[in-house]
Amino acid sequence: GAVVSQHPSRVICKSGTSVKIECRSLDFQATTMFWYRQFPKKSLMLMATSNEGSKATYEQGVEKDKFLINHASLTLSTLTVTSAHPEDSSFYICSARGSSEQYFGPGTRLTVT
Amino acid sequence: GENVEQHPSTLSVQEGDSAVIKCTYSDSASNYFPWYKQELGKRPQLIIDIRSNVGEKKDQRIAVTLNKTAKHFSLHITETQPEDSAVYFCAASRFTGGGNKLTFGTGTQLKVEL
Repeated sequence: GAVVSQHPSRVICKSGTSVKIECRSLDFQATTMFWYRQFPKKSLMLMATSNEGSKATYEQGVEKDKFLINHASLTLSTLTVTSAHPEDSSFYICSARGSSEQYFGPGTRLTVT
Repeated sequence: GENVEQHPSTLSVQEGDSAVIKCTYSDSASNYFPWYKQELGKRPQLIIDIRSNVGEKKDQRIAVTLNKTAKHFSLHITETQPEDSAVYFCAASRFTGGGNKLTFGTGTQLKVEL
């Protein structure tokens, strides 16, 4: 199956700093990628849909100025958590859509101290 | 928007028994229903999916059934094994050939006991 990578896998940062997470589709082109947030023992919550060459579409309640998404190419989308706070600590997972199904990245564990 | 409900939240079965997880959806236009398995700290992995033009799909020990009229679909795992223990998520979307987004259920923690 298709491969989606995510970097970094874990990151610890201090409050007020920004963190960038990369999502890459390694063996296919993805015009659309999705960013999810997952709390412990909870479901995946869609944050935004990342479209190559255009602005991301954010879900209701997600602050677009706090969670900056850039889909610079058909194989790369980035999520930047700006001015991070402890409540932003979570597991962030991206996915990329291939011909039919979605393939998930391995996730990034963000801890804000 | 779409709303997906999933039951039960936890399920414990004996090895070799069957496990059934049920989901309902609200958007009658949804036509694609995948099931994902997620082990602790890992990415969700697609295990089976079904489109609205069929009522049942089977892949070895895993099967999914879909009732479009009632707007519910179920995952059936037969002859369960310890390695089946994980969290299972159902999802629904409108498959349009473009960037369709998935709406996930709340997950079911399956534990297969020896």
